[in-house]
Amino acid sequence: GDSVTQMEGPVTLSEEAFLTINCTYTATGYPSLFWYVQYPGEGLQLLLKATKADDKGSNKGFEATYRKETTSFHLEKGSVQVSDSAVYFCALIPGNTPLVFGKGTRLSVIA
Amino acid sequence: NAGVTQTPKFQVLKTGQSMTLQCAQDMNHEYMSWYRQDPGMGLRLIHYSVGAGITDQGEVPNGYNVSRSTTEDFPLRLLSAAPSQTSVYFCASSWGASGNTIYFGEGSWLTVV
Repeated sequence: GDSVTQMEGPVTLSEEAFLTINCTYTATGYPSLFWYVQYPGEGLQLLLKATKADDKGSNKGFEATYRKETTSFHLEKGSVQVSDSAVYFCALIPGNTPLVFGKGTRLSVIA
Repeated sequence: NAGVTQTPKFQVLKTGQSMTLQCAQDMNHEYMSWYRQDPGMGLRLIHYSVGAGITDQGEVPNGYNVSRSTTEDFPLRLLSAAPSQTSVYFCASSWGASGNTIYFGEGSWLTVV
């Protein structure tokens, strides 16, 4: 079935470090791909999305490119801040069914 | 514009009790769904609905019941609570599937003792 695999955390980085969180997927057809972020004690917020191959989603300095050939959607940020500390979820919509989530990656950024 | 509203935010139940988690959206969205979030498991789909009168099971439907009598509301019923249902529950809604933005409620923290 459709699934998302993302790197396990927790990931701990110093402020201004480069961030990569890997995400790969398995799906039939051409799913839409998403990154959601969950700050402590809060619900999920859409961070960015891409709906077709080679699309790049970007928001708040984060970027991810839809790579059909490698079935990947890795999240990157050039310089993380303490305020980026959160849990990040990669997700896909395979068709006319709801989101399928990865297990989440906890990011801690220290000053 | 309230978005997706979940109630209650916190609830403690005794094993065997029943309860309903409420979810309402004011955006006239067709799609609504319920997820549970457990440590190390991410979010798992319980039930979903693609429109009023239509519901379907997700990955972990056992022990839960849903109905969709109106576009706005999608309640989740726990029939006989068990400690394994201790979790954080999220309701979500969207215009449709595929690339449309999905909106989440703030979550309901449920503890079953």
